[in-house]
Amino acid sequence: NAGVTQTPKFQVLKTGQSMTLQCAQDMNHNSMYWYRQDPGMGLRLIYYSASEGTTDKGEVPNGYNVSRLNKREFSLRLESAAPSQTSVYFCASTREVRGEAFFGQGTRLTVV
Amino acid sequence: QKEVEQNSGPLSVPEGAIASLNCTYSDRGSQSFFWYRQYSGKSPELIMSIYSNGDKEDGRFTAQLNKASQYVSLLIRDSQPSDSATYLCAVKGLAGGTSYGKLTFGQGTILTVHP
Repeated sequence: NAGVTQTPKFQVLKTGQSMTLQCAQDMNHNSMYWYRQDPGMGLRLIYYSASEGTTDKGEVPNGYNVSRLNKREFSLRLESAAPSQTSVYFCASTREVRGEAFFGQGTRLTVV
Repeated sequence: QKEVEQNSGPLSVPEGAIASLNCTYSDRGSQSFFWYRQYSGKSPELIMSIYSNGDKEDGRFTAQLNKASQYVSLLIRDSQPSDSATYLCAVKGLAGGTSYGKLTFGQGTILTVHP
């Protein structure tokens, strides 16, 4: 019973490099989310997708792009990484109606 | 004003005491309210959900919701050292409402329960 799977778990990038964080869920949820977590800041919403084919900006979307590839998968892309994007990234999906969120294990990204 | 705000921490309580965590939210259209616990280096895990005004109890945890005051709280009775973690309040708006059904978190409150 996998739930939400995120890859990779750790990544070090050089400034200017690009990468894609992958997320997949097997719970048949419509809504999926990408958050970043910095010390003392809680979880800040980057982008979310209420259903396949739709995406919306959250609180901190600058420097990121997303793709809702299908109902299962929601990827986050950093086109040109910056040190300010050093953070822990979490993907989540939510049940319909009640809205409980299930999280992936997180990706710890360091940009040097 | 942040959409979801939690009382400033960190919060330190002795073992066996009641820990009280508070959260306010700005969107009156919010429908679902959650408390998550997050241990250091781990993902958030859901511990309580509440959808209507009043209290909801689950073991040592009680969530309280007051939609008129836009306030939600979490009480932890008989606190244990294993309760030491960051507690995150989360609010979900109604799909189609001003917050478009998105799930928004507060900044978290660090709780330490000392023996």
